[in-house]
Amino acid sequence: AQSVTQLGSHVSVSEGALVLLRCNYSSSVPPYLFWYVQYPNQGLQLLLKYTSAATLVKGINGFEAEFKKSETSFHLTKPSAHMSDAAEYFCAVSALKNTGNQFYFGTGTSLTVIP
Amino acid sequence: NAGVTQTPKFQVLKTGQSMTLQCAQDMNHNSMYWYRQDPGMGLRLIYYSASEGTTDKGEVPNGYNVSRLNKREFSLRLESAAPSQTSVYFCASSEALDSFGITDTQYFGPGTRLTVL
Repeated sequence: AQSVTQLGSHVSVSEGALVLLRCNYSSSVPPYLFWYVQYPNQGLQLLLKYTSAATLVKGINGFEAEFKKSETSFHLTKPSAHMSDAAEYFCAVSALKNTGNQFYFGTGTSLTVIP
Repeated sequence: NAGVTQTPKFQVLKTGQSMTLQCAQDMNHNSMYWYRQDPGMGLRLIYYSASEGTTDKGEVPNGYNVSRLNKREFSLRLESAAPSQTSVYFCASSEALDSFGITDTQYFGPGTRLTVL
């Protein structure tokens, strides 16, 4: 069963516009959730993570995400897009299952910022 | 600190050839991982090592073997490469988040681009 779903494999926004990247998870137990960013030809780096503390999490580069248990969502937002935000973004979930800790990545969302 | 390093950066193989991808981390992490990244499929876990001396299969282990050489190093071997193994391979490492062993932030290497002809 898919544990992480990212809606929209490609998102385009104008420079200065709101960025909204969607992530929904499926987990029967409270998960830990992560957003990673991947710039071209590089590895992934952590943007932010939720680990059962505050539901609104602030990350690097002005990004934030809100954990909504009722909606099983962890959407990533940024009030004003910058050209340097163009990258691939991955949502990931870490949760305990019967077989132990499992870690899954979504399929990614490519963000394009239009000048 | 170099973080997570991977060698080589690029490799071209012919079908049936073998090779080993090397990964090392200098953050004293217990857990290490190998992923492959393919367009439209995100990252898929091949194998992981929760701690030195242990390895476990991930989502797509067929055609691969791994060795946790010591706490720092975790290698991935392709015994007989196939075109379906053309991909970008990432190594990552992490510590456990809490007493349950939940995975914390994973730190990634720069990747190895492998082409199998």
